[in-house]
Order: sequence, then structure tokens, then C-alpha cells
Amino acid sequence: DTGVSQNPRHKITKRGQNVTFRCDPISEHNRLYWYRQTLGQGPEFLTYFQNEAQLEKSRLLSDRFSAERPKGSFSTLEIQRTEQGDSAMYLCASSFTQGQGRYGYTFGSGTRLTVV
Amino acid sequence: DAKTTQPTSMDCAEGRAANLPCNHSTISGNEYVYWYRQIHSQGPQYIIHGLKNNETNEMASLIITEDRKSSTLILPHATLRDTAVYYCIVRVASNTNAGKSTFGDGTTLTVKP
Repeated sequence: DTGVSQNPRHKITKRGQNVTFRCDPISEHNRLYWYRQTLGQGPEFLTYFQNEAQLEKSRLLSDRFSAERPKGSFSTLEIQRTEQGDSAMYLCASSFTQGQGRYGYTFGSGTRLTVV
Repeated sequence: DAKTTQPTSMDCAEGRAANLPCNHSTISGNEYVYWYRQIHSQGPQYIIHGLKNNETNEMASLIITEDRKSSTLILPHATLRDTAVYYCIVRVASNTNAGKSTFGDGTTLTVKP
């Protein structure tokens, strides 16, 4: 297993277009998290899954954002009708459920979105 | 999750120990202290975590005060590759908690030759 994989690494899109990002977590991890990070700031929590269930969504996740994790494996994050304010790095992380191990998250390298 | 306070930036000479402080005065008894670092253009990387005892691994040492209101991450022999943003997070670790970690803006550590 080579860690958490995110695709694409970079995405440039025009305002108003829809974009979708993919995250492949570490296969043994049953929790998957999405974060967003803008320049000079720490990562901001968006949502997380335990297996296929989406257990929490941040208020940052407007109606234009949707995340799925079918079958509890990979996850997708879709942004509809993109706005310039959506430009950011979108980070995915995975982890064990707490009781199985407390070694924190493993993050992917992120997808950098630029909305022009 | 409890809030943490970290200095915005720090410098360290190459080969010297880097000591990064973190205040978490509102930490609860069941919250762990986690440290991550983020090198430019990469995702954050887990470093170490602890509850109340000091911890050491191949990357760093974590010193937690007896009252658990603050901690220090120690990189014993800093190298130029340790230049990064370091995040201190406190988080409940149980099967029933929400599971998310709340990141602040971290400390930018610059290791100088």
C-alpha cells in the first residue's frame, strides 16, 4: 500500500463549472476525511466517513459540495457551480477507528483547485 | 476539541535541537496531544502523539507538562529538511467521538544553515 492517493493533483476550472476529486485511502483504514486548505492557513475540516457512512459535515460544506464513499473504499468530493472562493488545496486523509490505533491521520498530497 | 496556541514562527540552527511549544490550557482528561508537520505543497504528516507521559519515536520527542496544559515537540538534531509548518492538535481518541481534528495555523519552523 503506497499511502493515500489523490487525483488529480491540480485542477484549473472556469467559474460555474463542476469538478470532482477522488481519494483512495489506505485500504485498512475505515475512516476517511476531507479538509480544505487556503494559503497561509491550517487545514479546515469539511466532512468525514466511517466506512460508507458520512458521519459529520462542516458548515463550510455548502449545498454545492457533496462527498460520497461508496462501498467504504474510495471517496469523491464534487463541487458544483464553482466559485473563485473555492480555490484551495483539498486534502484527503484516512485513519483507523480510534480504538484500533491512535496513530493519527495519513494525508494525501492534495488536489489544488484554481477557479478562474 | 480543545483549542491550542502556538507561536507563528521560529528559527533554529541546523544540527541544534528545535523546541516547539504548544499551549492547550483547556485540554480535557481524555484528550490526546498530536503533532503533525506540513512541508510546502505536501499534505500534513503525522509526527507523534501522547496523553500524559513523555513520548519518543524516530522523528521526535514529545514532552507534556504534569498539568497537561502545555507541551513541547523536540526535534533533537534539526536538518534543513525539517523546515515546515508544525501543527499541535488536541483530540479525543475513542470509538465514539466525532473523529475530526481541528488544525490551527501552526508554527512555521525555519532551519538555517
